[in-house]
Amino acid sequence: EDKVVQSPLSLVVHEGDTVTLNCSYEVTNFRSLLWYKQEKKAPTFLFMLTSSGIEKKSGRLSSILDKKELFSILNITATQTGDSAIYLCAVETRGGADGLTFGKGTHLIIQP
Amino acid sequence: DVKVTQSSRYLVKRTGEKVFLECVQDMDHENMFWYRQDPGLGLRLIYFSYDVKMKEKGDIPEGYSVSREKKERFSLILESASTNQTSMYLCASSFKLGQETQYFGPGTRLLVL
Repeated sequence: EDKVVQSPLSLVVHEGDTVTLNCSYEVTNFRSLLWYKQEKKAPTFLFMLTSSGIEKKSGRLSSILDKKELFSILNITATQTGDSAIYLCAVETRGGADGLTFGKGTHLIIQP
Repeated sequence: DVKVTQSSRYLVKRTGEKVFLECVQDMDHENMFWYRQDPGLGLRLIYFSYDVKMKEKGDIPEGYSVSREKKERFSLILESASTNQTSMYLCASSFKLGQETQYFGPGTRLLVL
């Protein structure tokens, strides 16, 4: 059975801090790993990672994938209260087991 | 552990057919969601429901309808399937809207020929 594990489950930091969110996975026929930010209803797409070692950046957010050790991290620098959200990691698989498996999310709270 | 199940992993339908996708959650969650996932587009919300018989349109409701007759079950209906509805459909549920993580089902890959 495909598995995606996120850690920590929740995290409280102060504005300006840097945070690192973790996502490890065990799946058959990996295709890509996706990060989402969930605030209200629908999660917002952040990154899609397919290759090891290539960092993707968007403003203060960045993410990298390690396909050998089967994990990804999402970094947020100079955090702001607007970064408070649940961050979801999902792994897409290919072939006969086509699917998308989500982790349970990391609930990030940024205190002013 | 929360379990969200979807009735089928794969479906192949013909244009014009009526399609039912079913989702069941076992955690007494109030909120349930239907999304579609397409390459490069991320998750897009089709409909969600915050209580039995209550529903709200998401970002892309056209061509879809939903039904929530029981708390644990949320159905997505394609009244007349079209080829542009070929996609991965994901169901999710949560206890509180926006404040708790959504738990996702395994997805249904629908191919409309």
